[in-house]
Amino acid sequence: GQNIDQPTEMTATEGAIVQINCTYQTSGFNGLFWYQQHAGEAPTFLSYNVLDGLEEKGRFSSFLSRSKGYSYLLLKELQMKDSASYLCAVNNAGNMLTFGGGTRLMVKP
Amino acid sequence: ETGVTQTPRHLVMGMTNKKSLKCEQHLGHNAMYWYKQSAKKPLELMFVYSLEERVENNSVPSRFSPECPNSSHLFLHLHTLQPEDSALYLCASSQDPLRGEAFFGQGTRLTVV
Repeated sequence: GQNIDQPTEMTATEGAIVQINCTYQTSGFNGLFWYQQHAGEAPTFLSYNVLDGLEEKGRFSSFLSRSKGYSYLLLKELQMKDSASYLCAVNNAGNMLTFGGGTRLMVKP
Repeated sequence: ETGVTQTPRHLVMGMTNKKSLKCEQHLGHNAMYWYKQSAKKPLELMFVYSLEERVENNSVPSRFSPECPNSSHLFLHLHTLQPEDSALYLCASSQDPLRGEAFFGQGTRLTVV
C-alpha cells in the first residue's frame, strides 16, 4: 500500500526558518513533490526531488533520502504570505501522484 | 492563471440532480486527472486519462462518470450524489510521465444537499 505522513499543523514566526517533514512508504518511487496550497486555491508546484540530496530554490529548499523514505521542505525568512498548506506527494508509478494529508503552516508576526 | 481552467467554481446540487464539471488545459499536456479533496483528508486520485484513454479508476463509485473527448478537455459527470460527496474537485494535467509534475486547476467546490 501507499502511506505518506506529514504533521497536520505547524506554527512559526515571521522571519524564522521552518522545516516540514514527510515520510513515505510506497510500492515504487519515481520522485517526490512538494506543493503549496493557499485556502480556496489550487495547489502550486514548489519542488521535485528524485535523487538524494538538497534542492534549493530561493527561500525554499527540499531534501530527499530515498533509503530512509524521508523528505523535508525548508522555508527560510518566513513571510506572512507563506501561511498555507504544504502537500508532500510521491510519484510511485508512471503518471500518478499519491498525496499526504498536508501540513497547515501558520506564520505569526 | 494556472493554464488549467475549471468550471464552475462553485456548485450546489440536490441528490437527484445531474450536473457536469468541466476542465480545460492550455498547456499541451497528454495526461489529465480528477482529484477529490475533502476536509482533513489527503487529495484522492479519482481518474487518470493518458492520451484520452482512461488508465486508472481508483474504485470510484459509478455516480461519478468521467469523459475525455480530447487531450485538452476533461469532464466529470455527476448523478444521484450523496451529501458525503461534497468536496473540492480538482482537475490536473501533466506532460512528462517520468516526472509526473501536475498542474492544477482552481477546483470546483461542490455541495450536495
